[in-house]
Amino acid sequence: DAGVTQSPTHLIKTRGQQVTLRCSPKSGHDTVSWYQQALGQGPQFIFQYYEEEERQRGNFPDRFSGHQFPNYSSELNVNALLLGDSALYLCASSLVGVGNTIYFGEGSWLTVV
Amino acid sequence: GQQVMQIPQYQHVQEGEDFTTYCNSSTTLSNIQWYKQRPGGHPVFLIQLVKSGEVKKQKRLTFQFGEAKKNSSLHITATQTTDVGTYFCPSRTQGGSEKLVFGKGTKLTVNP
Repeated sequence: DAGVTQSPTHLIKTRGQQVTLRCSPKSGHDTVSWYQQALGQGPQFIFQYYEEEERQRGNFPDRFSGHQFPNYSSELNVNALLLGDSALYLCASSLVGVGNTIYFGEGSWLTVV
Repeated sequence: GQQVMQIPQYQHVQEGEDFTTYCNSSTTLSNIQWYKQRPGGHPVFLIQLVKSGEVKKQKRLTFQFGEAKKNSSLHITATQTTDVGTYFCPSRTQGGSEKLVFGKGTKLTVNP
């Protein structure tokens, strides 16, 4: 039973470029959330997808967008990268419903230079 | 969701010493979960507490949920170097689209 898988694990981008990060949820899960974790901080909620729609969004600009596919996998896109976007991007999956456990993937380390 | 305050922010112990971290909320929580993140790693789910006064153990780790469901603690007995990491107790919004609200956690270092 595979857990939450993310790709790529590490990447380096130049300021102004665009990046796409990918996530496959844990088997049986239908809800995917994305979090950004800067160095020394706790993860911050970006947005959540369920039934291919964005259900909730955190305090992130429109440069951050996402998508969920019919197989529940998801992508996070960030346009016009800034140096401050350098962080660990975590995908979390769960089964819809109150109190269900939320599991995190190993994350994608993004460095913007 | 209301952010849960966690103390201490940093804790350094000698291997074999005990360690405790505390989470406090100004509002009643429906449940609380604990995650551990190793250096360079990702948050790993440890446990979820739901009932008032609940106590759960995982080997050397003891988790408690306060009677008023406003606080929680994680106690590690006889720490080992494998316990190194940051421990988080995120709050959880309620409703159709639950999300976790993280604080900075407690960073534990263990001197061998």
